[in-house]
Amino acid sequence: DIQMTQSPSTQSASEGDRVTITCRASQNINNWLAWYQQKPGKAPKLLIYKASSLESGVPSRFSGSGFGTQFTLTISSLQPDDFATYYCQQYSTYSVTFGQGTKVDI
Amino acid sequence: EVQLVESGGGLVQSGGSLRLSCAGSEFTVSSDYMTWVRQAPGKGLEWVSVIYGGGATYYADSVKGRFTISRDNSKNTVYLQMNSLRVEDTAVYYCARAGPLVRGVIKGSGAFDFWGQGTMVTVSS
Repeated sequence: DIQMTQSPSTQSASEGDRVTITCRASQNINNWLAWYQQKPGKAPKLLIYKASSLESGVPSRFSGSGFGTQFTLTISSLQPDDFATYYCQQYSTYSVTFGQGTKVDI
Repeated sequence: EVQLVESGGGLVQSGGSLRLSCAGSEFTVSSDYMTWVRQAPGKGLEWVSVIYGGGATYYADSVKGRFTISRDNSKNTVYLQMNSLRVEDTAVYYCARAGPLVRGVIKGSGAFDFWGQGTMVTVSS
């Protein structure tokens, strides 16, 4: 299986901050990379697919970049609703795998 | 709007069985890649199984031979039959869809654009 490694595991930030989360794949996945936001007790929500495509309805302060094995999720100006856990996911194979998650908190 | 509603979770003893259901609305489950993803308490997300197309299926190694994914097109519902349950299968089980815009190049692969609310499965020893 392809291993996905996120960093950091926890990110302390304040409203208005620019936040960057990194995801590294154990092998080349081209741009088959998605990002999700999950809040406690809720299902994950798709933010970004194909590394940089913004899912419909997701605010433009979220952006994704990268190709191959290195990827980044950026929140340009953190809003109160953005405090959550974020996961990356590779889908270059049917056996998709997720990163371990990054919790963004105050 | 697309919706997924899971049911069937509960408390079961180790070695027991459960069948989870995922009912879809406002889309056709047989036209999309339908997946089960689980999340153990306090842990991350783990892919479990996918069904797509004419009924092709894939499973994670951790559940292969014990879990079976299927669907009933007439009910627009996907199922996960879980046998020989283990304590380590305890998790919230989510049903999710990989719609046409978010699929990967490999059949069965994709990002998940819609998720159910999840159903809790607890396996006791």
